[in-house]
Amino acid sequence: DAKTTQPPSMDCAEGRAANLPCNHSTISGNEYVYWYRQIHSQGPQYIIHGLKNNETNEMASLIITEDRKSSTLILPHATLRDTAVYYCIVRVAYNQGGKLIFGQGTELSVKP
Amino acid sequence: GAVVSQHPSWVICKSGTSVKIECRSLDFQATTMFWYRQFPKQSLMLMATSNEGSKATYEQGVEKDKFLINHASLTLSTLTVTSAHPEDSSFYICSARRLAGVWGTGYEQYFGPGTRLTVT
Repeated sequence: DAKTTQPPSMDCAEGRAANLPCNHSTISGNEYVYWYRQIHSQGPQYIIHGLKNNETNEMASLIITEDRKSSTLILPHATLRDTAVYYCIVRVAYNQGGKLIFGQGTELSVKP
Repeated sequence: GAVVSQHPSWVICKSGTSVKIECRSLDFQATTMFWYRQFPKQSLMLMATSNEGSKATYEQGVEKDKFLINHASLTLSTLTVTSAHPEDSSFYICSARRLAGVWGTGYEQYFGPGTRLTVT
């Protein structure tokens, strides 16, 4: 399984962009990068995913480097409600079960 | 996104008893469901994968006779913690996957809100 490395914690000022990095240097060509977040004592919430192109939705943007060895999740205007643990996951290939294996994640604190 | 529910949201049981947790996909059919466990201040740990109508596949180190998983229909999976002990106290989270969703990757995966189990 491709492993991911994320900083354990980050702070961000409310209203500013939050840029959360993730390293996944052993990712395979057919493996997707997924981002979920977990607010305290709740189930994980899907944010975004991508293969090699940059992606954007109503919640965030995902920037994947050309060599696919790292990615950055961008929350364009962080709010206090974005305080959560953010997980970057490389999804196991579908023909191997397609499991989502969680790492330690980044604890993002958005401060007023 | 689609909705996954869990019942109960929290449960307290006595040591030695069994507890059943239900996971339902409310508005889609889930061919595969996953069960995770999370201890305080730790990440989610995948326990098992269950496919509708077949036996669950357990991750290494997870006792299949202790954590019984049944996926009898496309919308319901159950996890039974048998002969629970205090060390089984944890946050149990299920996840449901459906094929051919809108994500363009062949499937989507959604998580339930979790069940807090406390064994006294």
